[in-house]
Amino acid sequence: EVQLVESGGGLVNHGGSLRLSCAASGFTFSAYNMNWVRQAPGKGLEWISSITGGSDFIYHTDSVRGRLTISRDNARNLLYLQMNTLRDEDTAVYYCARDPGSAAHTPWFDLWGQGTLVTVSS
Amino acid sequence: IQLTQSPSSVSASVGDRVTITCRASRVINRALAWYQQKPGEAPNLLIYHASSLESGVPSRFSGSGSGTDFTLTITNLQPEDFATYYCQQFNSYPVIFGQGTRLDIK
Repeated sequence: EVQLVESGGGLVNHGGSLRLSCAASGFTFSAYNMNWVRQAPGKGLEWISSITGGSDFIYHTDSVRGRLTISRDNARNLLYLQMNTLRDEDTAVYYCARDPGSAAHTPWFDLWGQGTLVTVSS
Repeated sequence: IQLTQSPSSVSASVGDRVTITCRASRVINRALAWYQQKPGEAPNLLIYHASSLESGVPSRFSGSGSGTDFTLTITNLQPEDFATYYCQQFNSYPVIFGQGTRLDIK
């Protein structure tokens, strides 16, 4: 079955760190660009970061640059989001999402995980 | 680039036709996608490249537009269509989503 499954969310203190994982299955993970998108409670969708299949190119939205870092392990079919210096406004459901394209282009998202909730407590 | 969806919410009945608009602050050619999201679920891709229907999506969903103005049309509304809809531009980074349009049952 083609799917993405996130894990690693939870309650973390303001200024703390957390690492999210996304396990991919049912498709050739290394052939796809991957992304993180988040959604604060009751709010809309916010793209955070993208990484190409070979990790050649990485993009982040300005509000997380330097604090949230995307990476991947193609041998293990895993996507990561390392989250440091967490702020209240980072509280959200975090989704990993697949880009159906393989070139280094601005993505759209054809496959989403179920999401993992990160709550930053002050 | 900013994306502005209208209306922010709309009420309709089963069998109705609904149109949602997404306006970009500058030209994005046809680099626009539409998603449906139901409460507690992840978004689901409906349309990409402004008018291409994603595999498995019912044909009552259609998209149109180019440049700065785009529409998502749902004909013959079904009970499962009541959800929130988002547009998203992929012309250039950063990826931007519209603020969402909530479609409620009248």
